[in-house]
Amino acid sequence: AQSVAQPEDQVNVAEGNPLTVKCTYSVSGNPYLFWYVQYPNRGLQFLLKYITGDNLVKGSYGFEAEFNKSQTSFHLKKPSALVSDSALYFCAVRDTFPVDYKLSFGAGTTVTVRA
Amino acid sequence: GAVVSQHPSWVICKSGTSVKIECRSLDFQATTMFWYRQFPKQSLMLMATSNEGSKATYEQGVEKDKFLINHASLTLSTLTVTSAHPEDSSFYICSARMGVWANQPQHFGDGTRLSIL
Repeated sequence: AQSVAQPEDQVNVAEGNPLTVKCTYSVSGNPYLFWYVQYPNRGLQFLLKYITGDNLVKGSYGFEAEFNKSQTSFHLKKPSALVSDSALYFCAVRDTFPVDYKLSFGAGTTVTVRA
Repeated sequence: GAVVSQHPSWVICKSGTSVKIECRSLDFQATTMFWYRQFPKQSLMLMATSNEGSKATYEQGVEKDKFLINHASLTLSTLTVTSAHPEDSSFYICSARMGVWANQPQHFGDGTRLSIL
């Protein structure tokens, strides 16, 4: 079974400050991990993924995420947040087996960046 | 690249009407398409998985006769909400994945806001 937890419903930061959105996962095998962002009344936009290799993954719009196998975490980070980063962020995981391509999503974290 | 178009973006209709939502992959062939439902301020709930040319696989608790899915080609999947009622009002989102590798991300449409009066 696969699952994702996003422990924070909301994250509030000031513009220019670092932004971190937390995610922990549970899988039986090895994880494929993804971060998506959703703006109001829109679908999800893909930010980045971890498949294998370097634990630090760089993605779109200056975001990056760090895979930590021992802590089963995949936190999303941005060194300097922008007001335009305010949105709903979802972490998602897929186990390597079974190969059904289904994603499990976290509950989402609302990020608010104040000017 | 990897653009998914979903149409319509907003539907308002009377109770008892059937509503069709289209999901198209514009610049790639979608091996698999997914349909999700999202309630306000909540996560996505997977409704069904569809592969081109075969019957959709529905998640537990999703009524097959209520939510008809057709995946007629590698670029088009449709969701028909039959005899819609107010409790079917929701935000429906499709996604598509390409290729055969399991590590490919899903690419999402912009969603359809369905309001049943």
